Amino acid sequence: GAVVSQHPSRVICKSGTSVKIECRSLDFQATTMFWYRQFPKQSLMLMATSNEGSKATYEQGVEKDKFLINHASLTLSTLTVTSAHPEDSSFYICSASHEVSYNSPLHFGNGTRLTVT
Amino acid sequence: AQKVTQAQTEISVVEKEDVTLDCVYETRDTTYYLFWYKQPPSGELVFLIRRNSFDEQNEISGRYSWNFQKSTSSFNFTITASQVVDSAVYFCALSEGVSNTGKLIFGQGTTLQVKP
Repeated sequence: GAVVSQHPSRVICKSGTSVKIECRSLDFQATTMFWYRQFPKQSLMLMATSNEGSKATYEQGVEKDKFLINHASLTLSTLTVTSAHPEDSSFYICSASHEVSYNSPLHFGNGTRLTVT
Repeated sequence: AQKVTQAQTEISVVEKEDVTLDCVYETRDTTYYLFWYKQPPSGELVFLIRRNSFDEQNEISGRYSWNFQKSTSSFNFTITASQVVDSAVYFCALSEGVSNTGKLIFGQGTTLQVKP
C-alpha cells in the first residue's frame, strides 16, 4: 500500500539555526502533501498545504517566511524551519494525498521530533 | 465552522473491558470524510478507518467497531475486549469536500490506558 516516509525522525538543533525535514511518498505520486504540527499532549494542527510546482498554502497564523515549504517533485516535499527557537520545538508530521485513488486511506509519515536548545 | 470534539480526555480501563471513544463533529458540507487514527507513544499515526458521509453503515474490524450517526453528528469508536497494546492516543478527524484530501481537522484526542 501507499507509504509516506519522513526524515529525520529526531533532530536537536541550536537556537538560530535552520532545520530541514523531508517527506516522501514512496510508491505513489503526491501532487499535494500536508504538514502538521503537534505540541506535547495536544492535537495535530494543519500548518500548510504543499502543492507540487506551486507555492504552498499556509494556514492562518503560520509564518510562511519561517516555515519554508518546497514541493519540487511529485514524491518529495520539504519543510525548513528557519532560525529555529525553543518555541518551535514540536512534533512535525506530514501526510500525502493520493488523489488518483479516492478510496485509499490517508497515510502519515512517522513524524519528526524537533528540539531547539 | 468545522470542528471535531472528543470530550473524553483520558480513559482508563482494565484489560478485557470494552471501551467506547466518543467523537462529535460539526460541518456545513453535505460531503465529508471521517477518520480515526491511533497514535502510540512512538508518535506515528496509524490509520484505522475512513468513512464518507454517504455511508452510514456501521463497521466492524476484529475487536474494533465504529458507529456513525449522522443524526447526532457522531462517529464513535468501540474497542471490544481491550488489550494493553491498545494503550495510545486516539484521534478522530474530519475532511470536507468531495475528494478524499489530506486536509484534516483533528479532535483533541483521547488517551486510552489499558491496565493489565
